[in-house]
Amino acid sequence: EAQVTQNPRYLITVTGKKLTVTCSQNMNHEYMSWYRQDPGLGLRQIYYSMNVEVTDKGDVPEGYKVSRKEKRNFPLILESPSPNQTSLYFCATFGRAYEQYFGPGTRLTVT
Amino acid sequence: AQSVTQLGSHVSVSEGALVLLRCNYSSSVPPYLFWYVQYPNQGLQLLLKYTTGATLVKGINGFEAEFKKSETSFHLTKPSAHMSDAAEYFCAVSGGSNYKLTFGKGTLLTVNP
Repeated sequence: EAQVTQNPRYLITVTGKKLTVTCSQNMNHEYMSWYRQDPGLGLRQIYYSMNVEVTDKGDVPEGYKVSRKEKRNFPLILESPSPNQTSLYFCATFGRAYEQYFGPGTRLTVT
Repeated sequence: AQSVTQLGSHVSVSEGALVLLRCNYSSSVPPYLFWYVQYPNQGLQLLLKYTTGATLVKGINGFEAEFKKSETSFHLTKPSAHMSDAAEYFCAVSGGSNYKLTFGKGTLLTVNP
């Protein structure tokens, strides 16, 4: 079954404590992306990756890092989280014909 | 560059009435267009998409949308609303080869009995 998994699904943390949200896909897709969703703002792209070792900034990359060391995984790293990064995060992957899959989301609260 | 405008952050209809959710886009390249639905506390589900070909696209749950290039629109419709359609709906556009989706701000659909 085609699947995008994210972990953790829920996370409450404190300002400045480094965290990583993992994303994994089993479809061998080259393209992966991270979005954050905030009320009234829709979803905004944070970072994307066109292939292994190829990543680029989206619209709201400040405060985030990513890495793509293998095709299936695309972790999102918050080196020093701040309260304005409290949000709902989605990982997504696309196939060549625009078949697309979103992860279930990670709800992050930074206090 | 690309952008999406969803007209109306909140739309309320009666059960059985027509659902019309408006989406206008801008794109410097031929667009791919998408509608997603998000139920409370859930992830995104793709309703339908337009890439090429027929401009009237049918999706799941009885929804359809029509791509009108001259109006740069991709409005979502459903002839008869059901209580289970209550959710937030997002329009998105993508263009070029980078698969980037640009989302609208969403429209919350309320269905009244």
